[in-house]
Amino acid sequence: GQSLEQPSEVTAVEGAIVQINCTYQTSGFYGLSWYQQHDGGAPTFLSYNGLDGLEETGRFSSFLSRSDSYGYLLLQELQMKDSASYFCAATSGAGSYQLTFGKGTKLSVIP
Amino acid sequence: DAGITQSPRYKITETGRQVTLMCHQTWSHSYMFWYRQDLGHGLRLIYYSAAADITDKGEVPDGYVVSRSKTENFPLTLESATRSQTSVYFCASSEPGQGTEGHFGDGTRLSIL
Repeated sequence: GQSLEQPSEVTAVEGAIVQINCTYQTSGFYGLSWYQQHDGGAPTFLSYNGLDGLEETGRFSSFLSRSDSYGYLLLQELQMKDSASYFCAATSGAGSYQLTFGKGTKLSVIP
Repeated sequence: DAGITQSPRYKITETGRQVTLMCHQTWSHSYMFWYRQDLGHGLRLIYYSAAADITDKGEVPDGYVVSRSKTENFPLTLESATRSQTSVYFCASSEPGQGTEGHFGDGTRLSIL
């Protein structure tokens, strides 16, 4: 089956940098995505890594290492509005695409 | 406006009843997904569909039925609802090859009494 592991909770200070790690075990792996979800809201797409390396989108960066089955999301210059849950998700499959999510990391940004 | 819409937003029903959650997308994405979200479990895949008339089971398909007669619609039916199916249900669509960005609906909050 597919499984993704990420920390359940992280706390960081406003203005700081935080890294959320994700390890995965999937067959037919294509790539790793990251989603943000505020309480009561829907998940929203942040980034996708189909190849090894770093992808940067503004204050957010995401990294993938296929050889280590590992990725991370890096959030810089943290703001209070970044308090949310963050999910890594693996796209995988054999001839089709499943999108499987980790259990999520709840990020609390404190003043 | 292009988007993905779920209905109803909230639903209360009783055990044993049949209930259908609707999902409609206007992007013509080939892939559509149904997830349930419960505390401590994250988002778990129920069913997904690669195209009209093609559906496949995800991680937790038992007790659910899906159909996809048209590309834009992907209804999820609970044939005989149980209390354990009380959850928040999210529908999503994506087009693989474009970064597999998943677009989510606002969710349906389903309570089964």
